Amino acid sequence: ETGVTQSPTHLIKTRGQQVTLRCSSQSGHNTVSWYQQALGQGPQFIFQYYREEENGRGNFPPRFSGLQFPNYSSELNVNALELDDSALYLCASSSGGGGNYGYTFGSGTRLTVV
Amino acid sequence: DQQVKQNSPSLSVQEGRISILNCDYTNSMFDYFLWYKKYPAEGPTFLISISSIKDKNEDGRFTVFLNKSAKHLSLHIVPSQPGDSAVYFCAANAGNQFYFGTGTSLTVIP
Repeated sequence: ETGVTQSPTHLIKTRGQQVTLRCSSQSGHNTVSWYQQALGQGPQFIFQYYREEENGRGNFPPRFSGLQFPNYSSELNVNALELDDSALYLCASSSGGGGNYGYTFGSGTRLTVV
Repeated sequence: DQQVKQNSPSLSVQEGRISILNCDYTNSMFDYFLWYKKYPAEGPTFLISISSIKDKNEDGRFTVFLNKSAKHLSLHIVPSQPGDSAVYFCAANAGNQFYFGTGTSLTVIP
């Protein structure tokens, strides 16, 4: 049973550019969520996908968007990058749509915007 | 708007003793509360959760207590082991919205 894998592990982008981060869910998991973790902070919920539909969203602007594919892998897209978007982006998957299910997290993608 | 707060950034405990990590929240509509453990360069790992309708949940050395009137929960680790040294995040969800605290770094001294 493989865990959650994220790619790339590190990324440097220029302000104004667009970025796509990728996540492969743990086998058997149909729910994926994305988090932004700034330095010294806890993870901030961006959004959640359940069976390819977005079913929850945190306080992030529309330039943060996502997709979930039929194999339950997922992408996070960020347009018009800003310096404050520099953070660790975590993907998490579970076999349920929420509640007390223990989400399995990937190791994250470290995005630096310069 | 920090709805889940961990006011102690760090905690040191002697091996074999009890570790108590605390968490406060402001939203009375939270359904579940969860604790995650995070080692450096790894993603958070789910530890234990508790429903808002319960006041205690136990799993081996880990027990979570929920005090709804005080909007407070705590994680007890007994006995503490050096391998428990990590950052612990408290989290809560309301529907499909999830909120994390800022974490407490636990060091268990051998």
